[in-house]
Amino acid sequence: DAGVIQSPRHEVTEMGQEVTLRCKPISGHNSLFWYRQTMMRGLELLIYFNNNVPIDDSGMPEDRFSAKMPNASFSTLKIQPSEPRDSAVYFCASRGTGRRAGELFFGEGSRLTVL
Amino acid sequence: AQSVAQPEDQVNVAEGNPLTVKCTYSVSGNPYLFWYVQYPNRGLQFLLKYITGDNLVKGSYGFEAEFNKSQTSFHLKKPSALVSDSALYFCAVRDTDKLIFGTGTRLQVFP
Repeated sequence: DAGVIQSPRHEVTEMGQEVTLRCKPISGHNSLFWYRQTMMRGLELLIYFNNNVPIDDSGMPEDRFSAKMPNASFSTLKIQPSEPRDSAVYFCASRGTGRRAGELFFGEGSRLTVL
Repeated sequence: AQSVAQPEDQVNVAEGNPLTVKCTYSVSGNPYLFWYVQYPNRGLQFLLKYITGDNLVKGSYGFEAEFNKSQTSFHLKKPSALVSDSALYFCAVRDTDKLIFGTGTRLQVFP
């Protein structure tokens, strides 16, 4: 199993630019989560999907942030326009099933730096 | 709302000594509790979980955790620490459909 795959691993951009982060969950997992990690705020849940449907986006900081899950194998997190305070590591995770029910499987993260 | 607290930002322990990383929880109903580990520049990795049953839960890499209902705690333990255990450890609680993470505890194991 390839695990959760995120891209890009690193992104450096300038303020005002659009940023798109991508995630491929583990096949067969029906729930997908986007988290953001910073030194100041720790791990924050931004949004999650069940069966491709957004369930709770209360953690999305502003309208500049949007997320989509057009199918079971792909999700995007978009920031437009980006700001320096968006600099963080963004993690995608999918939730296990069966014996691994409830467990989150995390990708390696996308480190975003906005200059 | 469900929540967890990790009272220590950092724990230092000598290699070979036992280690404990503390976590307390606040939930309504039965708690579903988890421990995750994060190595530098990596994603979080699952260590163990408590759903129901035995209060002592065994997990990956020789770690275990003890669920204590009266003290509302779920401390992570290991009998003998390794330098390679040095990492950031997160306690988490399930809140409906999502996991809420604590602030993390950095474990430093000295040779």
